[in-house]
Amino acid sequence: EAQVTQNPRYLITVTGKKLTVTCSQNMNHEYMSWYRQDPGLGLRQIYYSMNVEVTDKGDVPEGYKVSRKEKRNFPLILESPSPNQTSLYFCASSRLAGNYEQYFGPGTRLTVT
Amino acid sequence: ILNVEQSPQSLHVQEGDSTNFTCSFPSSNFYALHWYRWETAKSPEALFVMTLNGDEKKKGRISATLNTKEGYSYLYIKGSQPEDSATYLCAFRTRADKLIFGTGTRLQVFP
Repeated sequence: EAQVTQNPRYLITVTGKKLTVTCSQNMNHEYMSWYRQDPGLGLRQIYYSMNVEVTDKGDVPEGYKVSRKEKRNFPLILESPSPNQTSLYFCASSRLAGNYEQYFGPGTRLTVT
Repeated sequence: ILNVEQSPQSLHVQEGDSTNFTCSFPSSNFYALHWYRWETAKSPEALFVMTLNGDEKKKGRISATLNTKEGYSYLYIKGSQPEDSATYLCAFRTRADKLIFGTGTRLQVFP
């Protein structure tokens, strides 16, 4: 089944404790992206990747890192999480860049206390 | 700063009503406009990707039009059903391949 998977789905952590949210797709998509969803603000793009080893900042990259060592995986790293990073996070992929529909993962709800 | 605006923010309609909502985006440097449907507790799902001025797309009772010169797209739902209740998001693709989302129109259809 074609899908985007994210892990974990739910995470409660403390300020400053490094964490990684994994994202994997099995559709051989070139383009992958991370978004965060906050009430009243819509989906905001954190980072995106056009291909392996090619990543770029979205609108809200501060406090996040990503890597794209393999086409299928695009982990999101929070080196030192803070409470303002409490949010719902979505990973998405598409065949190529923005003229193709994005397939979203199930979301990761992160709470930083 | 590129801004994508959607209106109305929310909409309540009766089953069987037809409805439409608007997405406004920058008219310069247009590349693509996406529409997604997002049901509560699920992930957004793609409805349409539109790239050409005058594009019209249709999927069942849902259709969309695109005017890139004036920077707007309309989404229409004909004969709304309770299962159409969801948030409808549009997203504008920039030259740098970023996607900028609007805040969505939340539709509730009452039986």
